[in-house]
Amino acid sequence: EVQLVESGGGLVQPGGSLRLSCAASRFSFSLYEMNWVRQAPGKGLEWVSYSGVRDSTVYYADSVKGRFTTSRDNAKSSLYLQMNSLRAEDTAVYYCATGYSGDDFYYFDYWGQGTLVTVSS
Amino acid sequence: SSELTQDPAVSVALGQTVRITCQGDSLRSFYASWYQQKPGQAPVLVIYGENNRPSGIPDRFSGSRSGNTASLTITGAQAEDEADYHCNSRDSSSNHLLFGGGTKLTVL
Repeated sequence: EVQLVESGGGLVQPGGSLRLSCAASRFSFSLYEMNWVRQAPGKGLEWVSYSGVRDSTVYYADSVKGRFTTSRDNAKSSLYLQMNSLRAEDTAVYYCATGYSGDDFYYFDYWGQGTLVTVSS
Repeated sequence: SSELTQDPAVSVALGQTVRITCQGDSLRSFYASWYQQKPGQAPVLVIYGENNRPSGIPDRFSGSRSGNTASLTITGAQAEDEADYHCNSRDSSSNHLLFGGGTKLTVL
């Protein structure tokens, strides 16, 4: 069964940086679209970033563009999220999730258990 | 970018049918996908595309779309269906992906 394990979360001061990792196993990571999705305490899900397969395409939500950077290392079956200039509103559980693009739909099929990022002084 | 709107909370009597809706302009072009999330757990995909269920999802879950509104219907709700339900779709005006705000389903 597909396994995704996030790590790297923790407490960071406003303006600080943090790097999240997502270790993937039991599937062909290099063939999958990957995403970061976050969930603030008591709130809904928010898509953060997308990492494509063939052309290393990356997309970001407006709320994180210019501050967060997504990368992947297919040799290590790992996805990363470098988060800079962190703000209180970035406090959330961060999930990595595989994604699938259909002609007229998109879904996230496998999810990790998430890692909590708390931005506070 | 576009938005997806969900009712914050819905309730249903045990064994009855409930419809959870998701509204947004992007849904005129793209089907919604639906996720069930129980407290302290990661979301689980329950419906995608026109009306497709991943393996292991009970057939009491179904999806539909009309205009700019997507619906998740649970026919014969069970106690274990009590959870938060989230919709998502592509954004028809950008490369972004969208989530609704989530609906908390209570089974009475």
